[in-house]
Amino acid sequence: KAGVTQTPRYLIKTRGQQVTLSCSPISGHRSVSWYQQTPGQGLQFLFEYFSETQRNKGNFPGRFSGRQFSNSRSEMNVSTLELGDSALYLCASSLRGVDSPLHFGNGTRLTVT
Amino acid sequence: GQQLNQSPQSMFIQEGEDVSMNCTSSSIFNTWLWYKQDPGEGPVLLIALYKAGELTSNGRLTAQFGITRKDSFLNISASIPSDVGIYFCAGQGAGGSYIPTFGRGTSLIVHP
Repeated sequence: KAGVTQTPRYLIKTRGQQVTLSCSPISGHRSVSWYQQTPGQGLQFLFEYFSETQRNKGNFPGRFSGRQFSNSRSEMNVSTLELGDSALYLCASSLRGVDSPLHFGNGTRLTVT
Repeated sequence: GQQLNQSPQSMFIQEGEDVSMNCTSSSIFNTWLWYKQDPGEGPVLLIALYKAGELTSNGRLTAQFGITRKDSFLNISASIPSDVGIYFCAGQGAGGSYIPTFGRGTSLIVHP
């Protein structure tokens, strides 16, 4: 079956702009979680959505937000982009939540100039 | 928050050699996970460990859940070129939270 799909694969934005990233989970998976990966900080948890509700949230500023639709697809939004937001953003889906095996997409590489 | 120390940071080995890497934490975890990330792709789960002392294999990979619940080890036997990538450990369950905490990764390069 199809894996986790993230679009777009690459994005270049300038400071102050906003960006929306998309994630389509594996069919049947109701949990979608988002992670930021940088060389300096590694993989850091952003938030998790389950059945259209945010269930867990990491330590990121309010500029980072997300939502989940009734078909379990999820979007992540970052407003007022800063240079430090440049990173690989990974989405992972799972059956029950972050305590069940995570299946990652290939990520969206965001570059902020 | 929890910190995971993963070592070594990088390894350069010859094809056929065995590899060992480990993760240690100041916190107790209920689950340890090992992932591999190939260039340009997302992490893929290799092994999940759910019980202190558990030893689990997946082909040439073997991982162990330390008895103190504060560490885990991953061994790769008879390495091959396709083992190249970044290996991450992750712990879950510290303080009742199942949000995974990831190590910084071990970059493995295998010379043919």
